[in-house]
Amino acid sequence: RKEVEQDPGPFNVPEGATVAFNCTYSNSASQSFFWYRQDCRKEPKLLMSVYSSGNEDGRFTAQLNRASQYISLLIRDSKLSDSATYLCVVVGGSQGNLIFGKGTKLSVKP
Amino acid sequence: NAGVTQTPKFQVLKTGQSMTLQCAQDMNHNSMYWYRQDPGMGLRLIYYSASEGTTDKGEVPNGYNVSRLNKREFSLRLESAAPSQTSVYFCASKTENNQPQHFGDGTRLSIL
Repeated sequence: RKEVEQDPGPFNVPEGATVAFNCTYSNSASQSFFWYRQDCRKEPKLLMSVYSSGNEDGRFTAQLNRASQYISLLIRDSKLSDSATYLCVVVGGSQGNLIFGKGTKLSVKP
Repeated sequence: NAGVTQTPKFQVLKTGQSMTLQCAQDMNHNSMYWYRQDPGMGLRLIYYSASEGTTDKGEVPNGYNVSRLNKREFSLRLESAAPSQTSVYFCASKTENNQPQHFGDGTRLSIL
């Protein structure tokens, strides 16, 4: 099993749609989790941290299920500007290195 | 506040040439990282430095060397560039364990 797995997509959705991305991780000892966003030919940027109780930031909601080793990101009311690749990130190892999934590509259409 | 700064932004090399990619951060972060990103491969860790004075290999270290010059700067060197090293290189830093990383805007390197 890969350390962090994501559906590569692409997810093609109309503006205003709700879309959900899922991610699974293999290391049950992982303590910290993040979602990053990467625009085409740009650097990854932190979108939000993921907390055990779930957390929301505007139209974005992140959930963590430790028992299933599963992380999700929900985007409501999609905007054209949400088009990007979304990277699931897990902190692992003794040095606390970040382990990146390969990303899920989202394309929001008018 | 510049964050993480990488130079150069673009470079074309011939096979066998050497090159150093520079990275500097002004956030007083302890840890610094070098990644490469290739289509379909995601981000792969080349080397990292958990603190000033230490460096460790990541997933794909072959063909690269690094230097943590001081707390701010972490350079990546290609001693004898190969076409397989054509990629986008990202430097990142973070303050401590369990914190997110901050990325530079990348160096696009082509080796002919």
